This record gives sequence, C-alpha cells and structure tokens, in this order.
Amino acid sequence: NAGVMQNPRHLVRRRGQEARLRCSPMKGHSHVYWYRQLPEEGLKFMVYLQKENIIDESGMPKERFSAEFPKEGPSILRIQQVVRGDSAAYFCASSREGGDTEAFFGQGTRLTVV
Amino acid sequence: SQQGEEDPQALSIQEGENATMNCSYKTSINNLQWYRQNSGRGLVHLILIRSNEREKHSGRLRVTLDTSKKSSSLLITASRAADTASYFCATDERIKAAGNKLTFGGGTRVLVKP
Repeated sequence: NAGVMQNPRHLVRRRGQEARLRCSPMKGHSHVYWYRQLPEEGLKFMVYLQKENIIDESGMPKERFSAEFPKEGPSILRIQQVVRGDSAAYFCASSREGGDTEAFFGQGTRLTVV
Repeated sequence: SQQGEEDPQALSIQEGENATMNCSYKTSINNLQWYRQNSGRGLVHLILIRSNEREKHSGRLRVTLDTSKKSSSLLITASRAADTASYFCATDERIKAAGNKLTFGGGTRVLVKP
C-alpha cells in the first residue's frame, strides 16, 4: 500500500510562471489536505478537499492559488504567476473519514521561484 | 502565541540521554499528534493521543496530555543519533462533518550527538 505520493519532489519556476503540484492520497483515503512550510517554520494549513469538493480553504491566499480534487486522478494545487515569496515546501496529507484518524503526509514538493 | 507551540525551540543532547519537548495549545481539541521531520524530508507520524487519554507509549516514545493545562510532552528515551530531527506537535480542529485540520507548532529541533 503506497503512501501519499507527491510529484514533483522539486520544482523550479521563474517569476510569473505557473506551478502545478500533484498529490495522490493513500489507497482508501478520501480526504486530502495541503500545507505549506516556510524554512525553519511549522506547517500551515492551506486547504482541505474531498472528492470534487473544497471543504475548507481558509488557509489559501485569496489570489493566484487554487486547489482541486477531481473524481478521477490526483489532487492538484495550482499557483499562478508565482512570486519569490511562494518558494516553500508544499505538503499533502490524506486521511480516512472521521476526525480522529491519523493524517499521513507525502514527501512534499519543494518549490523554488527564481 | 499560536496554537501548538513547542518548547524548547532547539535541544542538543548526547546519545543515550533522554529528550523532552513540550507543546502548548489554546483551543479545545479532539486529539493531538506528534510528527518527526528529518531535514528536507516529509513528516513521519509518531503518535496520536486523544483528548480523553493522559499518556501513551510507542517504543522509546512517551507522550502525555494534560487538557486542563492545554499541554503535551514528548519524551524520547535512550536517544540515538538517528533521532536527530525536528519534532512537531499538531492539534486538530473538526471541519464540518468529518476531516481534521491540523495546526502545527514551530517545532523543536533536536540534535543527538554521538
């Protein structure tokens, strides 16, 4: 049973380009969460999705960021017109239904904006 | 201060010694989780402790939870060089019908010297 898979592991984008980060949850998990981690800091919640639904996007910046979790395929975090401040590690986690279950994290995508 | 703050921020010990780190939080929780992160890597889930539990063990790890003080501690006994990592506590917040949004502290960076 593969864990949470994120790709790419490393992504370099020039300012103004788009970044697409992918996350495949663990088998049997229908809940996906995206977090961002700046250097030397803890993770900050961005968005929580279930299949075809955004449940909570309270941590998403108002502009340029969007997320989806289609019926088929991985969850996508999209950042349009990237700026240097978007450089960070982006982690995806998944869990089963229910609020008292463990969330399992992927290895993250490290985005560098040059 | 933010939910889920760890103390100390950094800890340096000799191999074989015990390492203790604390986490404080502000709001009511369903559970509290501890994670380990090696430099540049993803998060590894260590222990989940529910709000009605006071203590939990897993191998060389011991976690306590005091909901009256809104605090938790993680003890690593007989530390090894491989325990060198950052340790994060994360508290959950129920989101609507299901799912758990985690709030992370800034982490404790542990260095175990051989």
